[in-house]
Amino acid sequence: GQNIDQPTEMTATEGAIVQINCTYQTSGFNGLFWYQQHAGEAPTFLSYNVLDGLEEKGRFSSFLSRSKGYSYLLLKELQMKDSASYLCAVTDSNYQLIWGAGTKLIIKP
Amino acid sequence: EADIYQTPRYLVIGTGKKITLECSQTMGHDKMYWYQQDPGMELHLIHYSYGVNSTEKGDLSSESTVSRIRTEHFPLTLESARPSHTSQYLCASSAGDRTEAFFGQGTRLTVV
Repeated sequence: GQNIDQPTEMTATEGAIVQINCTYQTSGFNGLFWYQQHAGEAPTFLSYNVLDGLEEKGRFSSFLSRSKGYSYLLLKELQMKDSASYLCAVTDSNYQLIWGAGTKLIIKP
Repeated sequence: EADIYQTPRYLVIGTGKKITLECSQTMGHDKMYWYQQDPGMELHLIHYSYGVNSTEKGDLSSESTVSRIRTEHFPLTLESARPSHTSQYLCASSAGDRTEAFFGQGTRLTVV
């Protein structure tokens, strides 16, 4: 079966750095997405990785290792508004998006 | 700004009623999706479309139907609403398989 694993919940301090991991087992791989979802709102796109390595976009970076079936989202200089769920999603060989359950990130002052 | 709209935002309806959730996008995207999401839970794909006159069922068993007569419009219909249909329904669209999906604001449905 297809599976995406993320921690259910993480807590971090304002101004700090946090890394949210995602491991996947899918039938084929055609890219990995990270989305942010605030409570009660729709997901919004953060990043896309299809090749191994690090993609940096401001305070957010995303890393991919296809051989390990592993990705992480790195958030720097955390702000209170970063409190949200972070969803990892993988596109499989049929170009279907497989979603993880999301990681709820709690930021404390 | 994403140009994808869902109506209504909130709906409370009685058991057995027929309802249609509307979704429209002005980005000219071929791919459109309907997801169901309970609070704090993962997204479940219930229907998707690759373009006009194309519709497919997702991995979540559902008593709903969809249509795609125009590129911009992808309505979801529940023929007979039940309390188990209470959930948030999210519509999304994307330009292709390797591009991000844009989501509407969702419809929060409560069936009483």
